[in-house]
Amino acid sequence: AQSVTQPDIHITVSEGASLELRCNYSYGATPYLFWYVQSPGQGLQLLLKYFSGDTLVQGIKGFEAEFKRSQSSFNLRKPSVHWSDAAEYFCAVGAGDYKLSFGAGTTVTVRA
Amino acid sequence: DAGVIQSPRHEVTEMGQEVTLRCKPISGHNSLFWYRQTMMRGLELLIYFNNNVPIDDSGMPEDRFSAKMPNASFSTLKIQPSEPRDSAVYFCASSLFGGTGANVLTFGAGSRLTVL
Repeated sequence: AQSVTQPDIHITVSEGASLELRCNYSYGATPYLFWYVQSPGQGLQLLLKYFSGDTLVQGIKGFEAEFKRSQSSFNLRKPSVHWSDAAEYFCAVGAGDYKLSFGAGTTVTVRA
Repeated sequence: DAGVIQSPRHEVTEMGQEVTLRCKPISGHNSLFWYRQTMMRGLELLIYFNNNVPIDDSGMPEDRFSAKMPNASFSTLKIQPSEPRDSAVYFCASSLFGGTGANVLTFGAGSRLTVL
């Protein structure tokens, strides 16, 4: 079965600084990879997804992620964070069936 | 599209009471999922419906939990009797899933349940 690890529980970043959230997955074949964001009191919103092709994928809100097969990683990046990016971020992996395995999440705090 | 709609957004009840959570999936989606989110266990899949039929209910904690999907536009998750350990945020999600390939979930805003 597939699994996901998000090594960072909490990250604090200054507004305007760059952000990188780490995600490592475990799966034998090419996975389907997702990043979701959850703002306080809200549901999970899809930021971006990777299925195949170009390993650098662009998402909403200025986020991008890069799939690196050799490192089993799918890290999320944003060049310049805004206060509104404060939220919890979840990486998820699918194996081609209906199940998604979600990571434990990384909480991002943005300081002024 | 209004997205996945869940109600109620917040529910506070006393131990032993029946709780019913409701979900309206996105029109045209054929798959519906109920998840539970807690600090301790993260996001857990409770049950998966495809074309209104329960496919996988292995995540349902115990017999106190039941879920139904009487038609393509409505699902309920019921807890009877409720216990304090059921306190969590319950999410409904839907997708158009063909059986294999990528399953792209759209989540509702969640129902926050507090059992006193």
